Amino acid sequence: AQTVTQSQPEMSVQEAETVTLSCTYDTSESDYYLFWYKQPPSRQMILVIRQEAYKQQNATENRFSVNFQKAAKSFSLKISDSQLGDAAMYFCAYSRGYQLIWGAGTKLIIKP
Amino acid sequence: KAGVTQTPRYLIKTRGQQVTLSCSPISGHRSVSWYQQTPGQGLQFLFEYFSETQRNKGNFPGRFSGRQFSNSRSEMNVSTLELGDSALYLCASSLGLVGGTDTQYFGPGTRLTVL
Repeated sequence: AQTVTQSQPEMSVQEAETVTLSCTYDTSESDYYLFWYKQPPSRQMILVIRQEAYKQQNATENRFSVNFQKAAKSFSLKISDSQLGDAAMYFCAYSRGYQLIWGAGTKLIIKP
Repeated sequence: KAGVTQTPRYLIKTRGQQVTLSCSPISGHRSVSWYQQTPGQGLQFLFEYFSETQRNKGNFPGRFSGRQFSNSRSEMNVSTLELGDSALYLCASSLGLVGGTDTQYFGPGTRLTVL
């Protein structure tokens, strides 16, 4: 069965510093898609970044980048120059057919 | 382009009642998915609709049902509400590409409280 594990329930980082959120997943498929979403206190789920498993190049979106290790089934999110607005729950998700399988989330706290 | 909209944003119901939630996808998106989010179970997939047909269903009892209209708007219905149905219900829309390879964009959610 496909599962997604986020081992860090909570992380904190000083404003302007860099933080990495971890995610591992389990699948027997060779082609799939991985996502990071953030959910701020407003509860709106917002796409942060997407990675296609067939692409070796790690995805990047401005201050957000991933370290995708397919063999290790690892998909970590790096946030550079952390800002107060980055405070949120971050969810890692795996796309299985027409549904997303979710991790439990990591609460990111930004210290001013 | 307008985002995904969900109505109502908040609902309070009592046990045994039924409830209908509505979701309007992004213009041009033909797939709508529904998720339940609770503190205990996290995010769980309910079902997905594409062109008025349910393509995929999660592991929820038959009290949870949905439908999609010709304009891609979707509704989900929960009958005989239980206390455990209290949750944030999220709707997501996407183009609906074969194999689910596209990105899902989420609405603001409907917060359902069952008393």
